[in-house]
Amino acid sequence: QQQVKQSPQSLIVQKGGISIINCAYENTAFDYFPWYQQFPGKGPALLIAIRPDVSEKKEGRFTISFNKSAKQFSLHIMDSQPGDSATYFCAASIGGGSNYKLTFGKGTLLTVNP
Amino acid sequence: EPEVTQTPSHQVTQMGQEVILRCVPISNHLYFYWYRQILGQKVEFLVSFYNNEISEKSEIFDDQFSVERPDGSNFTLKIRSTKLEDSAMYFCASSDRTGGRYFGPGTRLTVT
Repeated sequence: QQQVKQSPQSLIVQKGGISIINCAYENTAFDYFPWYQQFPGKGPALLIAIRPDVSEKKEGRFTISFNKSAKQFSLHIMDSQPGDSATYFCAASIGGGSNYKLTFGKGTLLTVNP
Repeated sequence: EPEVTQTPSHQVTQMGQEVILRCVPISNHLYFYWYRQILGQKVEFLVSFYNNEISEKSEIFDDQFSVERPDGSNFTLKIRSTKLEDSAMYFCASSDRTGGRYFGPGTRLTVT
């Protein structure tokens, strides 16, 4: 019940296209859903996060869509650029603050072709 | 921009040996974490540390693992007797009171 399932495992998108990565969770107690971006040789970096009181959050070209009833959330990258090529992880936790434990999805390797 | 640093970047050790992975968290952060990622798999939580004690640990973090903040700047993960299945990328992270995690670049541990 602690799992977060992420798909697809890999994704290839043309420059300017929309990249969509999906995640699903089981535990209804999860109430914080961040997305992390990881470049080769670097640690994961927080990209954007959402709480279940809203259905969408947008920051620049990155949007999280959240469907509480379906227990799903997704990351949309608009106008995808080659510099967006990275591995993306969704995650979930119970509660906010610094003592929460993050449960990660398996990651999606995004390649944006020029 | 402040960042979390980790050393070494790659550690090769023989099964049964002890290893210590080192991390320097961001200086004004109070919460510290270790995560690991086995090749091709998801990032897994190991342990969180606050106020000089473990605040939470996962089932992975058994008696072979220990953490320490020996000098107010370093944060270490010790594996007492390494096993082949300990081979993974180990990430240190730190956060301030807002909770946002800052991850280090990781240490690749290879147990032979």
